[in-house]
Amino acid sequence: DGGITQSPKYLFRKEGQNVTLSCEQNLNHDAMYWYRQDPGQGLRLIYYSQIVNDFQKGDIAEGYSVSREKKESFPLTVTSAQKNPTAFYLCASSLRLAGAYEQYFGPGTRLTVT
Amino acid sequence: GDSVTQMEGPVTLSEEAFLTINCTYTATGYPSLFWYVQYPGEGLQLLLKATKADDKGSNKGFEATYRKETTSFHLEKGSVQVSDSAVYFCALSEGSRDDKIIFGKGTRLHILP
Repeated sequence: DGGITQSPKYLFRKEGQNVTLSCEQNLNHDAMYWYRQDPGQGLRLIYYSQIVNDFQKGDIAEGYSVSREKKESFPLTVTSAQKNPTAFYLCASSLRLAGAYEQYFGPGTRLTVT
Repeated sequence: GDSVTQMEGPVTLSEEAFLTINCTYTATGYPSLFWYVQYPGEGLQLLLKATKADDKGSNKGFEATYRKETTSFHLEKGSVQVSDSAVYFCALSEGSRDDKIIFGKGTRLHILP
């Protein structure tokens, strides 16, 4: 079955540590995205990528980094510079960046930093 | 810039009640419009979409009609079930090369048995 996987579902880290969230898709989609969701809030775009080896900052990129070395994979690193990293992180992909192409979402990773 | 405004929640209804969740948008061109649903602890899933004016998207008993004259895409369902309890997001995509999907803030729906 095609889809998006995110791992792990729950992640706990100590303050000051970098942490990398995994996102893999087997849908053969060109575009991939990372969003952050806080309780009772909508989605905020962190980074997105249209093609391999290319990515752009979203609305809240500070304190985060990404790579897109393979079409299937778009890992997100939450660095120690991110002031408030505890949140629910969602990865998504779409066939192309824009237009009528809907986004497919992974199940999310809940990150808790103490 | 483009934006999506949807009614604030939570919305609480009894089972079998009629549901409307309002969504209006601002866009410079001719966007595609979407409704996504998020069940507790999960990612979002596409519920329905419409790509041009007067199109009606429908799925699982939910419907929404693309109204260009009122820039609206309201979500409706004739008889809700407890299993419809979730957060619903309205979204638009302009379709140009560098544009991304813009999401509304979401509306939480509680259905009481």
